[in-house]
Amino acid sequence: QQPVQSPQAVILREGEDAVINCSSSKALYSVHWYRQKHGEAPVFLMILLKGGEQKGHDKISASFNEKKQQSSLYLTASQLSYSGTYFCGFHNTDKLIFGTGTRLQVFP
Amino acid sequence: NAGVTQTPKFRVLKTGQSMTLLCAQDMNHEYMYWYRQDPGMGLRLIHYSVGEGTTAKGEVPDGYNVSRLKKQNFLLGLESAAPSQTSVYFCASSSTTLYRQGRNYGYTFGSGTRLTVV
Repeated sequence: QQPVQSPQAVILREGEDAVINCSSSKALYSVHWYRQKHGEAPVFLMILLKGGEQKGHDKISASFNEKKQQSSLYLTASQLSYSGTYFCGFHNTDKLIFGTGTRLQVFP
Repeated sequence: NAGVTQTPKFRVLKTGQSMTLLCAQDMNHEYMYWYRQDPGMGLRLIHYSVGEGTTAKGEVPDGYNVSRLKKQNFLLGLESAAPSQTSVYFCASSSTTLYRQGRNYGYTFGSGTRLTVV
């Protein structure tokens, strides 16, 4: 069963913040986050391994609550280049199952 | 530095025709995957392979077959194409060790194949 992402879409002005949430009904080993620009392949952002772990990548960070089987992606002071569709992926025994995606649009 | 290469990039098939999508990677990765992407559905796993000569079913395997005869190649076959298989297909590969030398490595994706079945 696919992880559930929310919201489905976000519209931001440059400099605003956003949070994307991802939850699973199955036990998880790790969480991946990817960004996909229109017409392009998904690009890896980060992996979170342990419950409670947090990571950062420029002004994009994420957390992973293993017990709740949830992860959140935080985009701070958004830039135009952040526009795209964000996917979480829950890793379980050799394979990655992706969520349905969150479309993020950043306007000047 | 090619990474993951998919061929063809575009294809139009008639219902009932067959075809093979080729994925090649030059990173010496053990794991390879085929996903399909449809609007509103995200990326769904079709089949995957954890090494040469091995394959396994993913979330949506029906209507597809795969083969991994060489480590660097992963083929996806459609024996009798149906309009429901109209989609964008992505191949991906990864190392067995996603975390090494202080860095995390995720999946590397190919640029995709846009398939239309009429």
